[in-house]
Order: sequence, then structure tokens, then C-alpha cells
Amino acid sequence: GDSVTQMEGPVTLSEEAFLTINCTYTATGYPSLFWYVQYPGEGLQLLLKATKADDKGSNKGFEATYRKETTSFHLEKGSVQVSDSAVYFCALSDLQGGSEKLVFGKGTKLTVNP
Amino acid sequence: EPEVTQTPSHQVTQMGQEVILRCVPISNHLYFYWYRQILGQKVEFLVSFYNNEISEKSEIFDDQFSVERPDGSNFTLKIRSTKLEDSAMYFCASRKGLADTDTQYFGPGTRLTVL
Repeated sequence: GDSVTQMEGPVTLSEEAFLTINCTYTATGYPSLFWYVQYPGEGLQLLLKATKADDKGSNKGFEATYRKETTSFHLEKGSVQVSDSAVYFCALSDLQGGSEKLVFGKGTKLTVNP
Repeated sequence: EPEVTQTPSHQVTQMGQEVILRCVPISNHLYFYWYRQILGQKVEFLVSFYNNEISEKSEIFDDQFSVERPDGSNFTLKIRSTKLEDSAMYFCASRKGLADTDTQYFGPGTRLTVL
């Protein structure tokens, strides 16, 4: 079945450092790809998404590009802030394949220190 | 901004008891979902619901689980006879439609602890 593998955490960075969280996927169809973020004590919030190859999703300084050739959707941010401390989840859904469900990676906890 | 709400935020129950987890989806959304996350593990899909019917369910969603939309606003997940392994964070989500521009919006979760 479809699956998502993302970089094991936790990740600890200093403010203004560059962030990369790796995510690769396995899917039989042509999925849409997502990054969700969970701040402490809150639910999952959509951070960005991409629905086709070479699409770049971006939001709040975060970016990820849908790479079909490497089946990847790595999350990047050029300069992290303390407020970015959260757990980040990579996910896919294969609506074209007939399924609405989101398939999640395990999550990567990011801590940004001042 | 409209949001998905869930109650209670934390539920403690004894093994074998029935629990009902409640969710109020965003008001104009038509598609509803439950997921769970056992501590330290992945967020896992349980069930999707549309037009008062289950449209998809996972292997986890066995006969002990049921979902219902009893009125125009609530969406509930019932576990008939809880087991220790049902302890998890349960997330409700809703979605307006199935277009690429529509996405699933999640609630804050209910932490279920089975003793």
C-alpha cells in the first residue's frame, strides 16, 4: 500500500538556521503531497501541498517541491524562528486512485533555540 | 476562521467501557474523517464518511467502532468495548469537497486513555 517515510527526529536548530526535513513516498497512483504541522497542544494544520509533479508548495517561508523522479517532497525553510518549533508531518492522498484518506509519515519534531 | 472542534479534550475510561468521542466539523463541509495516533507512532486513518455513509475504512476500524452524524452538526466516533490498545489521540477532520483546492481540516484531538 501507499506509505510515507520521513526523517527521524528530533531536530534541534538555532534561530536563523536552514531547515530540511526529508520525505519520500511510495504510491501506486499519482498522489497529492502535503506537509502538516502540529504546534504544542493543537491539532494538525495544513502547511503546504502540491498536487502534481514539479509543483512547489509554499507557505510561511516553508517550501517543498513534488519530485516524481525521486518520489520525494522535502520540506525546507531558509531561516527558522523559535515560533517554528512544532512537529511536522509529511502525508499523501491518492484521490485519483479512489481514496480520500491521508497517509502520514511518523512526524519530525523540530525545536528552534534562540 | 471556522475550525473543527472536538470534545472532550481528554477522556479516561476503564477497559470494556463504551466511549463516544465528539466532533463538530466546519459547517459547510460534507466529508468527515477520523484518524488516531498511538503515542510515538504514525497518524493512522480510521474511517471516512459522506452522505450519512461510510465511504472507506481501515483494518483498524472493526466491529467495535462506529460513526454517526446524529444531527446537522455533530460527528461521533463510538468505541463499544474499549481495549488498552485503543489508548491514543483521536483526530477528527472535515473537508468541503474533493477538488484539489479542498483539503482536510483537523480538530485538536481527543486523548483517550484506557485503564
